[in-house]
Amino acid sequence: AQSVTQLGSHVSVSEGALVLLRCNYSSSVPPYLFWYVQYPNQGLQLLLKYTTGATLVKGINGFEAEFKKSETSFHLTKPSAHMSDAAEYFCAVSEWGSQGNLIFGKGTKLSVKP
Amino acid sequence: DAGVTQSPTHLIKTRGQQVTLRCSPKSGHDTVSWYQQALGQGPQFIFQYYEEEERQRGNFPDRFSGHQFPNYSSELNVNALLLGDSALYLCASSLAGTGDFAQYFGPGTRLTVL
Repeated sequence: AQSVTQLGSHVSVSEGALVLLRCNYSSSVPPYLFWYVQYPNQGLQLLLKYTTGATLVKGINGFEAEFKKSETSFHLTKPSAHMSDAAEYFCAVSEWGSQGNLIFGKGTKLSVKP
Repeated sequence: DAGVTQSPTHLIKTRGQQVTLRCSPKSGHDTVSWYQQALGQGPQFIFQYYEEEERQRGNFPDRFSGHQFPNYSSELNVNALLLGDSALYLCASSLAGTGDFAQYFGPGTRLTVL
């Protein structure tokens, strides 16, 4: 069965510092991987996705993630945090043939200190 | 480009009542998925509709049912409401056959059961 583990329910960084949010997945077949961001009282916005091809994926707002099959990881990074990045981030996995239902991690709340 | 819309925004019901939530998919999308997000948790997959049929279902009881209309919009119905049904209900749309399963979420409906 598929599963997603996000290490750290809360991460705090200073403005301008590197953002690193960790995601590990479990999947019996090559996965499709996603990162979503959720601002308070809002729905989820797609940040980036990995399906096939290049393992380093660039998304919106300066975020990127790297698919590492050997480590079953899909960590999200941003070189320099901005106050507007404060939100909750969810990693999700889908498998080919599953008609695309997403399995989400429990989320990581990112705080950005001035 | 119209995104995913959901109605109502908020809803308060009492135990035992029934509720209907509505979703209109992003323009051009034909597949609708529903998720339940309890407070402090990641979204959990309820079911997915495609071509007016339930294509896949998560681990939710039969009290949760849905429908998809010819214009691809969808409804989620929950009968015999329990206190534990209080959550943010998210609708997501996608386009079948694209192979990447990226789903685009609406703002959600906040359901409170008293």
